[in-house]
Amino acid sequence: QQNVQQSPESLIVPEGARTSLNCTFSDSASQYFWWYRQHSGKAPKALMSIFSNGEKEEGRFTIHLNKASLHFSLHIRDSQPSDSALYLCAVRVNAGAKLTFGGGTRLTVRP
Amino acid sequence: GGIITQTPKFLIGQEGQKLTLKCQQNFNHDTMYWYRQDSGKGLRLIYYSITENDLQKGDLSEGYDASREKKSSFSLTVTSAQKNEMAVFLCASSQGTNERLFFGHGTKLSVL
Repeated sequence: QQNVQQSPESLIVPEGARTSLNCTFSDSASQYFWWYRQHSGKAPKALMSIFSNGEKEEGRFTIHLNKASLHFSLHIRDSQPSDSALYLCAVRVNAGAKLTFGGGTRLTVRP
Repeated sequence: GGIITQTPKFLIGQEGQKLTLKCQQNFNHDTMYWYRQDSGKGLRLIYYSITENDLQKGDLSEGYDASREKKSSFSLTVTSAQKNEMAVFLCASSQGTNERLFFGHGTKLSVL
């Protein structure tokens, strides 16, 4: 059974900082990796995905994936107060298999 | 664009009661999901359905039943509500099983 863990549980950073969120998974056959963001009282919304080893950048957000170390991460450049939210990583072994979420990291960006 | 509608938004039940939550999507997506979220924490998969009439158990299926009546709707039944249980149940859909999920706003359950 897939085990997905996130660290840290919570994080407070000043506006403009670079923020790093981590996710580890247990099944080495995993192929699909997602980050979702959930603002307080709102529905989770997909942020970014990566399907092969390496790095992917979209605006201020970058995902790193290292399948050998069973680890992927989300980096936020120039963090903004509007980035304050619960960040959820999610992993799927293959198409058709269930999507397993981590426990979340609560990010607070102080103005 | 599309929307996922969950009903009711709030559900208060009694211990031992059978409770049903409903979800409708107009994305015309094949795959639908039910997740449980406790106190702003991570999501745990209860059931998912890859297509109409399909049903797959998640990690938290015990104590729940689900039904995919048609492509656009997916319902979840709490078979016997547990006292002091409090959680948000999130419904989601995706076009394919490796595509992004779109979520509804959730049903907040409280059991007295």
